Amino acid sequence: GDSVTQMEGPVTLSEEAFLTINCTYTATGYPSLFWYVQYPGEGLQLLLKATKADDKGSNKGFEATYRKETTSFHLEKGSVQVSDSAVYFCALDQAGTALIFGKGTTLSVSS
Amino acid sequence: DVKVTQSSRYLVKRTGEKVFLECVQDMDHENMFWYRQDPGLGLRLIYFSYDVKMKEKGDIPEGYSVSREKKERFSLILESASTNQTSMYLCASSPSGAGANVLTFGAGSRLTVL
Repeated sequence: GDSVTQMEGPVTLSEEAFLTINCTYTATGYPSLFWYVQYPGEGLQLLLKATKADDKGSNKGFEATYRKETTSFHLEKGSVQVSDSAVYFCALDQAGTALIFGKGTTLSVSS
Repeated sequence: DVKVTQSSRYLVKRTGEKVFLECVQDMDHENMFWYRQDPGLGLRLIYFSYDVKMKEKGDIPEGYSVSREKKERFSLILESASTNQTSMYLCASSPSGAGANVLTFGAGSRLTVL
């Protein structure tokens, strides 16, 4: 069945460092891909999405490009801030049902 | 501000108790979902609903049931709570149509079963 695999954390960075969180997927068809973020004590919220191959989603300085040839949707940010500390989830939509999420990657940014 | 509200942030229950987790959304969304979140396992889908009185099993429905009598409310029921149901429970909703795959989540209900 469809699945999402993302890099295990925690990821620990200093402020202003470059961030990459890897995400690969297995799916039949052409799903839409998502990154959700969960800040401490809160529910998940949508960070960005891409609906077709080569689309780039972006928001709050984060970017991810839908790569069909490598079945990947890696999350990047050029310069992280302490306020970016959170858990990041990669997800895909499974037609007719619901989103399938990866296991989550915890990011901790120190000043 | 649009919201998904989960009535209880923290609950402590005993093994064998019947537990109700309530979720209400004010966005007139057709779709509603219950996930559980566990460290190292991420989010796993328990049940979802596309309409009032409709329900579909997710990946881990065993030990759970749901109720959707009104469009805005989706309840998760643990008929006889067990310790392995200690977890964070997340409710979410989405509209039908083009935005169906963009979920709005509640803040979660952390359940401890003793």
